[in-house]
Amino acid sequence: KAGVTQTPRYLIKTRGQQVTLSCSPISGHRSVSWYQQTPGQGLQFLFEYFSETQRNKGNFPGRFSGRQFSNSRSEMNVSTLELGDSALYLCASSFTSGSSEQYFGPGTRLTVT
Amino acid sequence: ELKVEQNPLFLSMQEGKNYTIYCNYSTTSDRLYWYRQDPGKSLESLFVLLSNGAVKQEGRLMASLDTKARLSTLHITAAVHDLSATYFCALLSGGYQKVTFGTGTKLQVIP
Repeated sequence: KAGVTQTPRYLIKTRGQQVTLSCSPISGHRSVSWYQQTPGQGLQFLFEYFSETQRNKGNFPGRFSGRQFSNSRSEMNVSTLELGDSALYLCASSFTSGSSEQYFGPGTRLTVT
Repeated sequence: ELKVEQNPLFLSMQEGKNYTIYCNYSTTSDRLYWYRQDPGKSLESLFVLLSNGAVKQEGRLMASLDTKARLSTLHITAAVHDLSATYFCALLSGGYQKVTFGTGTKLQVIP
């Protein structure tokens, strides 16, 4: 079956703008988690959505938000972009929330100039 | 707060040699993962370890878990160039799907 898909794959934005990233999980998976990967901070958990509800949130400012739709697709939004938001954003899907193996998408490479 | 430390951060080794990557963590966890990441690519799941004493092997890689010592190891046997990548350990904790990643170990296997 098809894997996790993320769109767009690459994105260049200017400071102060906002951006929306999309993630389509594996069919049947109801949990979607988002991660930010940077050379300095490594891989950091952003948040998890399960059945359209945010179940857990990492230590990121309120500029980072997300949502999940009834078909389990998820979007992540970053407002008022800063240079430090440049990163690889990975989403991962799993069948359930908690103790379920995650499958990662290819990521969206965001560059903020 | 769960903390996950890996060492070494960088590892350069010759083909045919053996080496071990260590993953230490600070609190109890529901399960431990090992992932591989090639440059510019996403994460590929290697192993999932669920219980104390768990050992899993795939090809030249073997992972083990000691929950009492809060330690997992990833052992590389007779390394080949294709194993060059960054390896992450990660732990699931907190009941929900929150995964905390280690710092990663960048492995370079020299032919």
